[in-house]
Amino acid sequence: QQQVKQSPQSLIVQKGGISIINCAYENTAFDYFPWYQQFPGKGPALLIAIRPDVSEKKEGRFTISFNKSAKQFSLHIMDSQPGDSATYFCAASMSAGGFKTIFGAGTRLFVKA
Amino acid sequence: DAGITQSPRYKITETGRQVTLMCHQTWSHSYMFWYRQDLGHGLRLIYYSAAADITDKGEVPDGYVVSRSKTENFPLTLESATRSQTSVYFCASSPGNEKLFFGSGTQLSVL
Repeated sequence: QQQVKQSPQSLIVQKGGISIINCAYENTAFDYFPWYQQFPGKGPALLIAIRPDVSEKKEGRFTISFNKSAKQFSLHIMDSQPGDSATYFCAASMSAGGFKTIFGAGTRLFVKA
Repeated sequence: DAGITQSPRYKITETGRQVTLMCHQTWSHSYMFWYRQDLGHGLRLIYYSAAADITDKGEVPDGYVVSRSKTENFPLTLESATRSQTSVYFCASSPGNEKLFFGSGTQLSVL
């Protein structure tokens, strides 16, 4: 049973374009929704995160949009660059659950120069 | 001053053997986690620990054992390795504010 569903599995975007990755969750007890970025041979690293009382959060070229009623959230990467090519994971955690973080299946992004 | 380190980086073993993956963090974070990463499944939580001597199961705990006698160490043991446990294993720690800090991973192959 996958509690966090992520799409697409892979994504190819032209340099300067917008990359969009979508996630959906089931458990309404989740109260923290991070996105992690992973480069080959490395561990994932926190990119940006949002709490359910906010509908949007922006940090530089990265934006999370959050729809609590639909139980969906998405990552937008504006002006995508070749250096953004990586695997992106959405995730969800609940503070009442010992901060267990459940991850989506991941999206492999390739930005063409 | 590495923060969180995993060893070994690569490991090849045979089915039925016992294998221990090590994880050490220098931040004194309370929480530590073990994940496995497989294509199509993302990162799946194996076990986690809220403090020394406190551990709990995650999504896929079968075939794994953990211990946490010291805050800084969180070893993961495969008691009798199976081919389905071939994976990349990541250890992570957190000070308790939901943000996870990951190690560089251990690539395990079970032949």
